[in-house]
Amino acid sequence: GAVVSQHPSRVICKSGTSVKIECRSLDFQATTMFWYRQFPKQSLMLMATSNEGSKATYEQGVEKDKFLINHASLTLSTLTVTSAHPEDSSFYICSASRSGRGVTDTQYFGPGTRLTVL
Amino acid sequence: QQPVQSPQAVILREGEDAVINCSSSKALYSVHWYRQKHGEAPVFLMILLKGGEQKGHDKISASFNEKKQQSSLYLTASQLSYSGTYFCGTETDFGNEKLTFGTGTRLTIIP
Repeated sequence: GAVVSQHPSRVICKSGTSVKIECRSLDFQATTMFWYRQFPKQSLMLMATSNEGSKATYEQGVEKDKFLINHASLTLSTLTVTSAHPEDSSFYICSASRSGRGVTDTQYFGPGTRLTVL
Repeated sequence: QQPVQSPQAVILREGEDAVINCSSSKALYSVHWYRQKHGEAPVFLMILLKGGEQKGHDKISASFNEKKQQSSLYLTASQLSYSGTYFCGTETDFGNEKLTFGTGTRLTIIP
């Protein structure tokens, strides 16, 4: 159990276009989902926390108008990179937690999406 | 601030043991350990929720020293499959589920 999928796994786009990445929890309901970005040979950096039915909470330095997050259901969160530029090229990974707010629980990670902006 | 892991990288022969440390400048409420292989998502290893807690399965175990704001991951009789980058994820704000990941330790096991 606790499988998280992401789609697409890889995307190449032109500068200025928008890209949507989906994160789904396949066999559990995820009250909370997290979006991370990882540059080569670096650690995972949290971008935002997404709770079903409410606005995402963004980390300091992350532009909420550029990285739009929607958590429409208990099994789906989406990240849209708007007007992507080459510096947005990165590995984007989501994770999902079963617990409700305020309870520490395991985060299960999706397989990641490799975004390349030309 | 990001937890610091040590060592940054280590190369072991199959069957040798390793210890990976995770040190935080903030008080810790829980520590989560993950292993990530190149180009893949992190895989959950274990979670430590209480100071003094020790956990393990198979030949991988971990401890959590709340007072020292540290956690250590122990890999015994390492196998080739243990290769990858290990990250600790630390919860520093009680109850908000956010994890701050450490700097990472790259472990290479050679036959």
